[in-house]
Amino acid sequence: GNSVTQMEGPVTLSEEAFLTINCTYTATGYPSLFWYVQYPGEGLQLLLKATKADDKGSNKGFEATYRKETTSFHLEKGSVQVSDSAVYFCALNYGGATNKLIFGTGTLLAVQP
Amino acid sequence: DTAVSQTPKYLVTQMGNDKSIKCEQNLGHDTMYWYKQDSKKFLKIMFSYNNKELIINETVPNRFSPKSPDKAHLNLHINSLELGDSAVYFCASSHSGGPGEQYFGPGTRLTVT
Repeated sequence: GNSVTQMEGPVTLSEEAFLTINCTYTATGYPSLFWYVQYPGEGLQLLLKATKADDKGSNKGFEATYRKETTSFHLEKGSVQVSDSAVYFCALNYGGATNKLIFGTGTLLAVQP
Repeated sequence: DTAVSQTPKYLVTQMGNDKSIKCEQNLGHDTMYWYKQDSKKFLKIMFSYNNKELIINETVPNRFSPKSPDKAHLNLHINSLELGDSAVYFCASSHSGGPGEQYFGPGTRLTVT
């Protein structure tokens, strides 16, 4: 079946460090891929998306590239801030009639000043 | 101008009670969803409705009954609450076409004692 695997957290970084959160997926066909962020006590916010192979999604300094050959969608940011501390979720969706997000387990990022 | 709103934000109740959570979206979307987030932050879809019609029902106990009076509202009624129902419940909405990105409400934290 379709699934998403994320690296285990927590990920603890110092401010201005480089961030990578790994995400791989198992799916038939070509789903769209997403990163959502959940700040403490809040709902999920769409961070970025990519809808086809080699697409790069980007937002707020975060980037992820849809790699079909490695079935990956790793999240990166060049210089993290304390305000980036949150739980990050990778997800896939085929859209259409069975439009449902399949989420990874989430990765907690803690950025220290 | 909240996009997806839920009420209440917190709900504390005793086992055996019946409770409802309400969701409204003002994004003009035609599809709405309920997701459950457990204590380990894992997110799983429960239901989806498209234009008031049930599309997805993911093996949820029949104590849970969603109701969609119109395409801007999706409520969740839970009968005979159990301890294991304690979780955060998120409402989301989307357009039925497109890549499948969904927009989430702030969540309702349900605690069953």
